[in-house]
Amino acid sequence: DVKVTQSSRYLVKRTGEKVFLECVQDMDHENMFWYRQDPGLGLRLIYFSYDVKMKEKGDIPEGYSVSREKKERFSLILESASTNQTSMYLCASSFGGLHSPLHFGNGTRLTVT
Amino acid sequence: TQLLEQSPQFLSIQEGENLTVYCNSSSVFSSLQWYRQEPGEGPVLLVTVVTGGEVKKLKRLTFQFGDARKDSSLHITAAQTGDTGLYLCAGALLENAGNMLTFGGGTRLMVKP
Repeated sequence: DVKVTQSSRYLVKRTGEKVFLECVQDMDHENMFWYRQDPGLGLRLIYFSYDVKMKEKGDIPEGYSVSREKKERFSLILESASTNQTSMYLCASSFGGLHSPLHFGNGTRLTVT
Repeated sequence: TQLLEQSPQFLSIQEGENLTVYCNSSSVFSSLQWYRQEPGEGPVLLVTVVTGGEVKKLKRLTFQFGDARKDSSLHITAAQTGDTGLYLCAGALLENAGNMLTFGGGTRLMVKP
């Protein structure tokens, strides 16, 4: 089974702090994604990556950046956390073929105070 | 307005009842996926539908893709308490060459014993 591991289940940070969310997958998947999940809004794509050192903006990239130095690891960075970034963050990976499913981690609930 | 509109947003029913969840759009999708998410976990794929008019069954769950590939439905027969969760539809837009999915807002289902 594919395993997508997010380093933290819960995080509490202060406004203005730099925040790193880490994600590792163990199935050699090409594609990795970061979503945020808010009630009633479903999942919104922040950034995705098709390959090492490659990144593409999703629907809501403002205030975020990403890093993919190794194929198995995809990091989400909040340069200066703000209260409106309080949310559930979900990492996912897929092998990249047509109609391939997303495999999600269990999420990181971030609270910015 | 979301690209994929799910309805209803919330549904609370008694065990044994039937229900249908809808996922609608004005856009055409090359495929549509349904996921279920339980508390504290990431979404897990239930099914992928690809062909217009396609019907897929997964035990008591029946998934249908609209003829024009703009909408989908999920029907659950004789709901059980284990069906409780958040149901998400996600579509791959026809014009997107990549593997980007657009998610609906979700339907939160509560099945009471």
